[in-house]
Amino acid sequence: EAGVAQSPRYKIIEKRQSVAFWCNPISGHATLYWYQQILGQGPKLLIQFQNNGVVDDSQLPKDRFSAERLKGVDSTLKIQPAKLEDSAVYLCASSLDRNIGYTFGSGTRLTVV
Amino acid sequence: ILNVEQSPQSLHVQEGDSTNFTCSFPSSNFYALHWYRWETAKSPEALFVMTLNGDEKKKGRISATLNTKEGYSYLYIKGSQPEDSATYLCAFDTGGFKTIFGAGTRLFVKA
Repeated sequence: EAGVAQSPRYKIIEKRQSVAFWCNPISGHATLYWYQQILGQGPKLLIQFQNNGVVDDSQLPKDRFSAERLKGVDSTLKIQPAKLEDSAVYLCASSLDRNIGYTFGSGTRLTVV
Repeated sequence: ILNVEQSPQSLHVQEGDSTNFTCSFPSSNFYALHWYRWETAKSPEALFVMTLNGDEKKKGRISATLNTKEGYSYLYIKGSQPEDSATYLCAFDTGGFKTIFGAGTRLFVKA
């Protein structure tokens, strides 16, 4: 089966600019996650979708971050405006059954300068 | 605040050495413990999902144990190879909507 697709792989932007990341999960996986991994730290959950509904966005900085999952399939994560501290790898993951773990995409490495 | 600690932070071993590292997690609200391997420029790959106290899982030269009463899991690699070089992440699953990741152990295996 195809894996979780993410794009772009790398992005460099200036602070105060906007950026968007895209994720296409594995077909049939109802649950989709966006994680932020800052260098030296573990991945931190930003938002979790079940189909196209949000089940947890408690750690999403909603003043600048937004995410949507259209028709319960693809998802986009947007940052507007970006800050220096947003420099991180943004990982998308999907799961069919949490008892067999998550499948991750290869991530988008964002550098804000 | 739920905290997941991994140690050591990084580890350098020679090819052929066996090694192990630790994941510590809260002993309450336990649902599952995940282990992932994350090689540079690749996606994190699921190794094990462990749910039962005393569980032991094995995949090739890699194995893991779980103690939910005291809140720790060990990951063992027997006869390390250079291709084992990666970051090993554990994640504590509370069964609700929270899965908390540790910061990882970076393993470097020198040929």
